[in-house]
Amino acid sequence: GENVEQHPSTLSVQEGDSAVIKCTYSDSASNYFPWYKQELGKRPQLIIDIRSNVGEKKDQRIAVTLNKTAKHFSLHITETQPEDSAVYFCAAMVSGNTPLVFGKGTRLSVIA
Amino acid sequence: GAVVSQHPSRVICKSGTSVKIECRSLDFQATTMFWYRQFPKQSLMLMATSNEGSKATYEQGVEKDKFLINHASLTLSTLTVTSAHPEDSSFYICSARDTKGGGNSPLHFGNGTRLTVT
Repeated sequence: GENVEQHPSTLSVQEGDSAVIKCTYSDSASNYFPWYKQELGKRPQLIIDIRSNVGEKKDQRIAVTLNKTAKHFSLHITETQPEDSAVYFCAAMVSGNTPLVFGKGTRLSVIA
Repeated sequence: GAVVSQHPSRVICKSGTSVKIECRSLDFQATTMFWYRQFPKQSLMLMATSNEGSKATYEQGVEKDKFLINHASLTLSTLTVTSAHPEDSSFYICSARDTKGGGNSPLHFGNGTRLTVT
């Protein structure tokens, strides 16, 4: 089955700097790659996603890139703010009625 | 937008009792729902795939007789933790996808249930 690796496990950045989180996946059939932000005690919130027919997607300060050949995808957050502090999870899925497989998460701390 | 309602949000029970968690898709139908478990400071781990009108599919290491799943309608799946023990204390969260949207529909999460077994 699918296996998703995520790095780093923790990341601290100064406010205003950029943060990059990287994930790799194992199943070449996966074609949907969402990123979730989870605050303490709350459910994961989808922040951005990308499908395999797209190499890059951007939404304001957040961008995701996908390299299908290398089977890795990354989350980029620019101009980080303290409210970006949370745990971020990447995930991968083959479309259809298959479940999302999550990475282990990255705890991002933005230091003011 | 699509909403998944999960109840209860918190439950505290004594060891040996059973707890039922409900997951409802409020404005869409879901033939398949997924149940995840999240221990503190860990990732979401898939427990089982709930299929409307048929048996659930459990992940390796998840006891089907302990975690009973019923998906009796296109909008409701329930997870019952039977004979709960303190090690079952965790954050349980369900998710569902709009069946009409097919494989390109996003996965919607419930708010989760924090179970504490004393």
